[in-house]
Amino acid sequence: DAMVIQNPRYQVTQFGKPVTLSCSQTLNHNVMYWYQQKSSQAPKLLFHYYDKDFNNEADTPDNFQSRRPNTSFCFLDIRSPGLGDAAMYLCATSMDSSYEQYFGPGTRLTVT
Amino acid sequence: GENVEQHPSTLSVQEGDSAVIKCTYSDSASNYFPWYKQELGKGPQLIIDIRSNVGEKKDQRIAVTLNKTAKHFSLHITETQPEDSAVYFCAASIGRGATNKLIFGTGTLLAVQP
Repeated sequence: DAMVIQNPRYQVTQFGKPVTLSCSQTLNHNVMYWYQQKSSQAPKLLFHYYDKDFNNEADTPDNFQSRRPNTSFCFLDIRSPGLGDAAMYLCATSMDSSYEQYFGPGTRLTVT
Repeated sequence: GENVEQHPSTLSVQEGDSAVIKCTYSDSASNYFPWYKQELGKGPQLIIDIRSNVGEKKDQRIAVTLNKTAKHFSLHITETQPEDSAVYFCAASIGRGATNKLIFGTGTLLAVQP
C-alpha cells in the first residue's frame, strides 16, 4: 500500500545533541511537510518542500533544518535540541494539484 | 493572521448518539476544508474533506457541511461507536501552489461512552 513512513517511531536524544528524523513516502507526492505537535495541541507547520524548493515558516527556529535528497525522502535535523523541542514530529505529503495531506505515524522525540 | 477556531474542545456522547464539531475560519480565500482523526500515539488520518464549491458531503456515518458566507464548517458523526473516540482536527487551506498549506483548529477530544 502507498504510504508515508517515519523512522524511528521513538527517539531519545540528549540536550544539545544533534538528532535527525526521517520520512519516506511511496505516494510519489511532490510536496512534503514537517509538523511539530506538542501534547494536546494542533500540528504546527515547521516547513515544507514543494519539489526541491524549501519553504520555511517565519516562526520556525533556526535550530530546525531540513533536507530532501530526492522525491521519496525528507529529513528533519535538530541541531541542538532543547527540552522544549520534545514533541511528536509529523511528516505529511500532498500533490500540488490537490490539497489533501497524508500524514505518517509520527516520531515521538524525548530530550533528556 | 489566519486562524481556525474549533469547538467544543471536549465532547462526550453515549454510544449511538450523534456528535457535532464546529469550526470557523478567517481567510475568505480558503477553499479546502479537511477533517482529521487522530488516535493516541498515531498520526492524523484524513477522514473527510469538502471544497468551497460544495455545501455538504457525506460518507457513511460522517458528514461535513460548509457555510462559506458565515465561514463556518462542521463535522457530523451519526450512530457513534466507541472506536470513534479520538481527537478530531479541522483545517482550512491558505495560499496557492508552492505556498499552499493548512491551518489547523485546536482539536476536539471526542469520547464515546459504551
